[in-house]
Amino acid sequence: EVQLVESGGDLVQPGGSLRLTCAASGFTFSTCWMTWVRQAPGKGLEWVASMKEDGGEKYVDSVKGRFTISRDNAQNSLYLQMNSLRVEDTAVYYCARGPFGVVNDFDYWGQGTLVTVSS
Amino acid sequence: EIVLTQSPATLSLSPGERATLSCRASQSVSSYLAWYQQKPGQAPRLLIYDASNRATGIPARFSGSGSGTDFTLTISSLEPEDFAVYYCQQRSNWPITFGQGTRLDI
Repeated sequence: EVQLVESGGDLVQPGGSLRLTCAASGFTFSTCWMTWVRQAPGKGLEWVASMKEDGGEKYVDSVKGRFTISRDNAQNSLYLQMNSLRVEDTAVYYCARGPFGVVNDFDYWGQGTLVTVSS
Repeated sequence: EIVLTQSPATLSLSPGERATLSCRASQSVSSYLAWYQQKPGQAPRLLIYDASNRATGIPARFSGSGSGTDFTLTISSLEPEDFAVYYCQQRSNWPITFGQGTRLDI
């Protein structure tokens, strides 16, 4: 059974940093694109960043230079290092498998972890 | 950036009725379009990928159609558990973008 479990969400002050982790199981993590998607309270879905199986990265413009996606294929883990956090980064952050693979788009999602940026 | 516009914003229907949700792209996305369902407090669930392919475990009452810039998600006969928010999403060009969502209400 495919499982994605996010952790690391917290309350942080503007300008602060946070590192999110997504622990993957039930599939061959090292062969899959992985992605972070966020959802601000009461709002829609926003793609944040994706990482290819061998390390290529893509980011939405609003987080470029502040967020870094990374992965450890030996640990079956995906990370999101978030620096210089802003109030507008407040959201539930989801880890998802995809967008390219045997089944395209995001076929499995974690339950999400809440990041609150506030003073 | 490709903008996806979903209509209507809210759709009020009853169980047993047919639902038709629309997603229009600001430029062609070929068939690289997906649909998701999201219920309150839950993660999104993939329903349709590549415009018309049902994801694993998705009931046959859900179907997707379209290509280029105009896409439709059809639910042939609504069940009580289908009342949720639906999002479309394109992966034709970076950045990946989502529509703003259609809320399907009873």
